[in-house]
Amino acid sequence: KAGVTQTPRYLIKTRGQQVTLSCSPISGHRSVSWYQQTPGQGLQFLFEYFSETQRNKGNFPGRFSGRQFSNSRSEMNVSTLELGDSALYLCASSLEGRGYETQYFGPGTRLLVL
Amino acid sequence: DQQVKQNSPSLSVQEGRISILNCDYTNSMFDYFLWYKKYPAEGPTFLISISSIKDKNEDGRFTVFLNKSAKHLSLHIVPSQPGDSAVYFCAASALQGAQKLVFGQGTRLTINP
Repeated sequence: KAGVTQTPRYLIKTRGQQVTLSCSPISGHRSVSWYQQTPGQGLQFLFEYFSETQRNKGNFPGRFSGRQFSNSRSEMNVSTLELGDSALYLCASSLEGRGYETQYFGPGTRLLVL
Repeated sequence: DQQVKQNSPSLSVQEGRISILNCDYTNSMFDYFLWYKKYPAEGPTFLISISSIKDKNEDGRFTVFLNKSAKHLSLHIVPSQPGDSAVYFCAASALQGAQKLVFGQGTRLTINP
């Protein structure tokens, strides 16, 4: 069974640009959550999508948005990039979004904003 | 406001000895706690969890202890092996996992041969 895949794995952008990251969950999983990992803050929850609907949202500005498609694949978009957005962005998938023991993470997309 | 804190950024332990990783939390609503392990270039993987109705949970070499009055949990690894070298994150949730996960900053564990 293929794991969670994220593309691209690495990305370099400049301030003011926008970026779209993609996450393909494990086959059959309907919940996708996104996290931002920075050295000082650890992992911070961005949002969760289930069956194409945003079910939960973290404390991030509106520049961070996401969506989920009918095949459960999810995209995350960050507009007007800031230097502080440089981070590892992780997505995680699970069957129903409940039970963190069965939530599987992808390898992440490392974003560098210059 | 860091609701889950791992105050030790790094820890070095000799192979075969016990590794103890610590985590403190401030939100008294948290009632479900997890530990994750993360290798470089990989996503975190679930290690062990504990509900607030228990004070200890064991899985092989890994034991998690929860002290609710002190709002403190710890992960014990006995005996430590070289493959345990990784970054360890603790995480907490309210409503027995129904609420979003809140993570600590992580502790880098290095096991020395």
